[in-house]
Amino acid sequence: SQKIEQNSEALNIQEGKTATLTCNYTNYSPAYLQWYRQDPGRGPVFLLLIRENEKEKRKERLKVTFDTTLKQSLFHITASQPADSATYLCALEAGGFKTIFGAGTRLFVKA
Amino acid sequence: DSGVTQTPKHLITATGQRVTLRCSPRSGDLSVYWYQQSLDQGLQFLIQYYNGEERAKGNILERFSAQQFPDLHSELNLSSLELGDSALYFCASSVNPLPGQGRDNEQFFGPGTRLTVL
Repeated sequence: SQKIEQNSEALNIQEGKTATLTCNYTNYSPAYLQWYRQDPGRGPVFLLLIRENEKEKRKERLKVTFDTTLKQSLFHITASQPADSATYLCALEAGGFKTIFGAGTRLFVKA
Repeated sequence: DSGVTQTPKHLITATGQRVTLRCSPRSGDLSVYWYQQSLDQGLQFLIQYYNGEERAKGNILERFSAQQFPDLHSELNLSSLELGDSALYFCASSVNPLPGQGRDNEQFFGPGTRLTVL
């Protein structure tokens, strides 16, 4: 069956460290994968998109990698700050224009 | 502010009732998506419209229906409501280029409508 999985457990890290979040998928061949941030009670906010022919993409303190062989994307936040605390969602286009979101990983950055 | 508006912000109703949620996309966006997010489930894709036509369907119940109007705003109709329909309903919009146009297809989400069914 088709699945998109993210770490269900919350990730707790110290301010200044690098946070790494994982998104794995099975039985999809997405043309691209997206990462979103969601704060409690609010709509997700788009962060980055990476295409299947791109290995890595960066935006300020954010970095995304995409390994279509492993069927995995890694999302990194360097020099993390307490303001980075949120839930991070990965999403992929699952064919037929459907967008499938992972359940998200909660990140807590301690000062 | 994403530029996507949703009304109402909160809705409290009873089982068996029917409600309509409204969404206005960002200026220039042709695609509208509807999602349901409940506490025990992630963001569930319901349906997508592109320029007035249904483009993709997710796990949308038969009791739910949607449409996109000529001015591109969209409505999600939920009928015969059940307790389990209580959730946050998000609308998102995107430019949604045709395949091959090579543009990113990020979605811009509205603030959501919190539906409580009692």
